[in-house]
Amino acid sequence: SSELTQDPAVSVPLGQTGRITCQGDSLRTYYASWYQQKPGQAPVVVIYDNNKRPSGTPDRFSGSNSGSTASLTITGAQAEDEADYYCHSRDSSDNPVVFGGGTKLTVL
Amino acid sequence: QLQQQQWGAGLLKPSETLSLSCVVYGGSFRGYYWSWIRQAPGKGLEWIGEITHSGSTNYNPSLKSRVTMSVDTSENQFSLKMNSVTAADTAMYYCARGLAGRSAYSSKSYYYFDYWGQGTLVTVSS
Repeated sequence: SSELTQDPAVSVPLGQTGRITCQGDSLRTYYASWYQQKPGQAPVVVIYDNNKRPSGTPDRFSGSNSGSTASLTITGAQAEDEADYYCHSRDSSDNPVVFGGGTKLTVL
Repeated sequence: QLQQQQWGAGLLKPSETLSLSCVVYGGSFRGYYWSWIRQAPGKGLEWIGEITHSGSTNYNPSLKSRVTMSVDTSENQFSLKMNSVTAADTAMYYCARGLAGRSAYSSKSYYYFDYWGQGTLVTVSS
């Protein structure tokens, strides 16, 4: 079955740029989507279809994809961006939906 | 604005059957993938399975032997049953709407969960 691999933790100074990456074979066929989850809350999609932002997602969030790697970039990170971030993709293997293990983003 | 409301028993004993339901308000039930996703305490997200309005299902292979999903299109509602639960099934369970399509940027496809239920905490304990 396919897997998506994320770094467990990323730190970014306030106002600087932070990047979270996600690797997996399924990303060659499907774009990753990215979810932000704050403590005690359900996940919320922040990026889908390569670089689309749902209404309500600040434009400091952007996505990109190259081969089997997807990236979520936060340009000018704010304190409220501190959260867990999960990448997700569909897959054509026997497990059609996969999530990355999650990245805890700390804004210093 | 679409809303999903979920409910079900929150405390189970080992070997019992978990049963959760999710009703969808304010949106179409057709054309989407309706999923259950869980999150054990302090852990990441785990997809359990999905169902379409026509009743077509896909399950996580690691849970497939214990999981059954069903749909009631007349009520815009879908349900999850998981039998023989153990303490390892203790988690927050979410229902979510999956949306799929072909990207406008390339030959790739996209799939994402745009609406989530509020979550139901299920605890398995003797």
